[in-house]
Amino acid sequence: GAVVSQHPSRVICKSGTSVKIECRSLDFQATTMFWYRQFPKQSLMLMATSNEGSKATYEQGVEKDKFLINHASLTLSTLTVTSAHPEDSSFYICSARAGGIPGELFFGEGSRLTVL
Amino acid sequence: AQSVSQHNHHVILSEAASLELGCNYSYGGTVNLFWYVQYPGQHLQLLLKYFSGDPLVKGIKGFEAEFIKSKFSFNLRKPSVQWSDTAEYFCAVTFTDKLIFGTGTRLQVFP
Repeated sequence: GAVVSQHPSRVICKSGTSVKIECRSLDFQATTMFWYRQFPKQSLMLMATSNEGSKATYEQGVEKDKFLINHASLTLSTLTVTSAHPEDSSFYICSARAGGIPGELFFGEGSRLTVL
Repeated sequence: AQSVSQHNHHVILSEAASLELGCNYSYGGTVNLFWYVQYPGQHLQLLLKYFSGDPLVKGIKGFEAEFIKSKFSFNLRKPSVQWSDTAEYFCAVTFTDKLIFGTGTRLQVFP
């Protein structure tokens, strides 16, 4: 199947700093990427939908100024957590859709963010 | 609002037992249905999917699921589980352009 790669897989930062997480589709072009957040022992919560060349669409309750999403190319989307706080500590997962059949997504391995 | 619910939060089985995990959704329109699995320390993998046609869908590793439109359900089944099936299982449903996940079911299989 298609491969989606996230980097970094783990990041620890100090409170107040910003962290960027990259999501790349390695062997296909992804017109749409999705960012999810997963709290321990909970499900994946959709944060935003990222379309190449346009602004991301955020889900209700997600702060767009805190979670900046950029989808500059068909193979790369980035999530920047700005002015991170301990409550932002979580597992962030991206997914990408290659097009064609709607809804079938390929997932990255996730990035665990710990804010001290 | 559209939602996906999984009623079994934690299931414990012995090897060779049969498995059925429930998934229900609330949406009257056309949906696509998925089951994903997340093994410990690994990322999500697709087990099976339903778009149209035969409502009984067969996936990888002996799993199958049945779409019952009248019940808004898409339950996952496996006749005989193995220890290696220990994982978190997520039902997911597309509503228009979004894929929404259920709360997940943690399955533990003991030898």
